[in-house]
Amino acid sequence: AQSVTQLDSHVSVSEGTPVLLRCNYSSSYSPSLFWYVQHPNKGLQLLLKYTSAATLVKGINGFEAEFKKSETSFHLTKPSAHMSDAAEYFCVVSTRGGADGLTFGKGTHLIIQP
Amino acid sequence: DTGVSQDPRHKITKRGQNVTFRCDPISEHNRLYWYRQTLGQGPEFLTYFQNEAQLEKSRLLSDRFSAERPKGSFSTLEIQRTEQGDSAMYLCASSLATGSYGYTFGSGTRLTVV
Repeated sequence: AQSVTQLDSHVSVSEGTPVLLRCNYSSSYSPSLFWYVQHPNKGLQLLLKYTSAATLVKGINGFEAEFKKSETSFHLTKPSAHMSDAAEYFCVVSTRGGADGLTFGKGTHLIIQP
Repeated sequence: DTGVSQDPRHKITKRGQNVTFRCDPISEHNRLYWYRQTLGQGPEFLTYFQNEAQLEKSRLLSDRFSAERPKGSFSTLEIQRTEQGDSAMYLCASSLATGSYGYTFGSGTRLTVV
């Protein structure tokens, strides 16, 4: 079994300040973890992925995430928010090579204040 | 390759009618997944194929839902006797065998049952 909990349904930050989106996971097997972004009326775009290599993962648009097995966490960060980062962000877990599909969190809506 | 294509983008149907959606994956991807996303929620896994074999279908929402991938290329998702509760975005994703390089999503088909 696998599950994902995104700890905040909404996060609001000012442009130019750091972003932190929190994610905890649960899985019976070694997980692969992903963050996807969904802009309004757009498809899901892969930001970054962890698949048992380096625990600090760098993605597109300046985002990064750190896999912490002891805390079962995979939080997403960005040093400086940009207006274009406003979107819905999903933390996703996969196990057994995708045989159980991807399990998505409920999403975190990121709001960027000017 | 232009990514994962889904057709149609929008479908409005009357309750009780059958609908069929099509997904064309990235050509070299042998895995294909279907998800459903309702408003304000993360996508929910429905089923997946490896080549033409449907390896997981227990998560299909009811026996009114079925999917095929007859030649291991494109896939169709059919909903029979649609109900208003079927209104949602239906997403298709594809990947290489274990998904370790990530999953590419299409833009989805938005179904409205009236």
